Amino acid sequence: NAGVTQTPKFQVLKTGQSMTLQCAQDMNHEYMSWYRQDPGMGLRLIHYSVGAGITDQGEVPNGYNVSRSTTEDFPLRLLSAAPSQTSVYFCASKDGGWNEKLFFGSGTQLSVL
Amino acid sequence: DQQVKQNSPSLSVQEGRISILNCDYTNSMFDYFLWYKKYPAEGPTFLISISSIKDKNEDGRFTVFLNKSAKHLSLHIVPSQPGDSAVYFCAGDQGGSEKLVFGKGTKLTVNP
Repeated sequence: NAGVTQTPKFQVLKTGQSMTLQCAQDMNHEYMSWYRQDPGMGLRLIHYSVGAGITDQGEVPNGYNVSRSTTEDFPLRLLSAAPSQTSVYFCASKDGGWNEKLFFGSGTQLSVL
Repeated sequence: DQQVKQNSPSLSVQEGRISILNCDYTNSMFDYFLWYKKYPAEGPTFLISISSIKDKNEDGRFTVFLNKSAKHLSLHIVPSQPGDSAVYFCAGDQGGSEKLVFGKGTKLTVNP
């Protein structure tokens, strides 16, 4: 059971470039989300999805785009990368319903030069 | 507005002693709290949780206490082991919001 898989693990971009961070889960979880972790800032929610075809914004959505065409996949798109988007990105998923714990991927370390 | 606060960025304890990690929250609508542990270069992993209808939850060496009137929770690790050295995140959840809110984390170091 792979759980939540994120690719790539590391990425370096130049300012203005676009890219997609991939996230896939094999637990048939309805809920998926993206967080970013910055030094001294903890984990902040970027976007989340409660099911295929449904997405919503979190705390820090600007500069990011998401879609959810399947239950398994939840890609995060950076449309025009900026140095402020240098961060570690975590994808997470959980069962639907209340009081369910999140399962996290191992993260993508992104540097924007 | 920081809804979940972990005011101690770091904590150092001796192996075998108790570790106490603290967390305060401002959102009175939170009804579920979770603790996650994170090792370097890995994703956070779930440690223990507590519902707002309880004031204590135990799982082996880990106990979480919730004081709703003070909007405060704490994680106790007894006895502490070197393998417990990690960053611990406290998180609050408001039922149905689908937005788990994390604190900034506390780095625990357990010295042999």
